Amino acid sequence: DTAVSQTPKYLVTQMGNDKSIKCEQNLGHDTMYWYKQDSKKFLKIMFSYNNKELIINETVPNRFSPKSPDKAHLNLHINSLELGDSAVYFCASSQDRWPGLHNEQFFGPGTRLTVL
Amino acid sequence: AQSVTQLDSHVSVSEGTPVLLRCNYSSSYSPSLFWYVQHPNKGLQLLLKYTSAATLVKGINGFEAEFKKSETSFHLTKPSAHMSDAAEYFCVVRGGNYGQNFVFGPGTRLSVLP
Repeated sequence: DTAVSQTPKYLVTQMGNDKSIKCEQNLGHDTMYWYKQDSKKFLKIMFSYNNKELIINETVPNRFSPKSPDKAHLNLHINSLELGDSAVYFCASSQDRWPGLHNEQFFGPGTRLTVL
Repeated sequence: AQSVTQLDSHVSVSEGTPVLLRCNYSSSYSPSLFWYVQHPNKGLQLLLKYTSAATLVKGINGFEAEFKKSETSFHLTKPSAHMSDAAEYFCVVRGGNYGQNFVFGPGTRLSVLP
């Protein structure tokens, strides 16, 4: 009955590989997000989808491609992984696209990606 | 552009003593403000949020935050720290061109000493 789930929890891979992280929410929310948390714990938004439509696309290398097959899922595919991609990636969801006064984001447990 | 400053990267308190984690923000909008907590190797959990109904906001686990518009601050407090409060705390403001982003502060690591 986890609200926002991510798989895998840990991902260790070699430079140059392609990998995907999956995210699912069972809250009935319309909007989903991907965040990157670096080694200094700084969290930065990468992408946001509202009902399968891309609404936020921050300055992220085009090696990163989000895919939303339906509004309950937002997957993150990363091509040609680099050392600097090592981080914890968090998925989140909210009721609608505007994080308004009563509209917090619910976060998944994170995926720790290590690129060797 | 919206931004968040957390003035202390690390705060250390003794168990049973008060906690103060400072946050200042800048926002072009009437701000939406949140505090999230991240325990080691865990995801982020909402502690509390500012809804404009009251300037003093009560959250979970005995935490409170006071919104002060004149000081552009939203400091987090707790009267008595518990060992289980040791975690990373993030102050968050609604941001982005249309207010659609969450902008996170850099975080404050809270250590609680026995």
